[in-house]
Amino acid sequence: AQSVAQPEDQVNVAEGNPLTVKCTYSVSGNPYLFWYVQYPNRGLQFLLKYITGDNLVKGSYGFEAEFNKSQTSFHLKKPSALVSDSALYFCAVRDVGGGSYIPTFGRGTSLIVHP
Amino acid sequence: KAGVTQTPRYLIKTRGQQVTLSCSPISGHRSVSWYQQTPGQGLQFLFEYFSETQRNKGNFPGRFSGRQFSNSRSEMNVSTLELGDSALYLCASSSPQGYQETQYFGPGTRLLVL
Repeated sequence: AQSVAQPEDQVNVAEGNPLTVKCTYSVSGNPYLFWYVQYPNRGLQFLLKYITGDNLVKGSYGFEAEFNKSQTSFHLKKPSALVSDSALYFCAVRDVGGGSYIPTFGRGTSLIVHP
Repeated sequence: KAGVTQTPRYLIKTRGQQVTLSCSPISGHRSVSWYQQTPGQGLQFLFEYFSETQRNKGNFPGRFSGRQFSNSRSEMNVSTLELGDSALYLCASSSPQGYQETQYFGPGTRLLVL
């Protein structure tokens, strides 16, 4: 069965500093990996995805993520955090070829950027 | 393009009642998925429809059902509501290129069951 882990419930970072939100996954086939952001009382917004190709994926709002197959990780990064980046971040995976295409989401990481 | 719209945005029901939620996808999108979001369980997949056919189904009881119409609009129905059904129900649409396509989420319907 596929699974996604976001080991940190909350990440605190000062504005201007780099940020990392961690995600590890487990699939039996090949992963399609996604990052979404959710602002209060809003639906999820797509940030970026890894399907195939270059392991470094660039997305919206200056975010990027690196697919690491050996470590089964897909950490979200940004070189310089903004206060407006404060939100709830979700990592998701689809197990392609593993028999189930149902997307599985992590439990979310609350990112707090301090001024 | 207009985004994904969901109606109603807020709903209060009592135990035992049934509820129907509606989702209009982005124009041209033929895939619609539904999710339940709760503080305790997080985001859980309910079902996915593509061209009026249910393509995938999550691990929810039969009280949860859905359908998709020929114009790609989708509805989900929950019968015999329980207190634990209180949640934010999110709908997402994607274009018909396969599972790698980005899902675009609506603002959600917040259901409170009393």
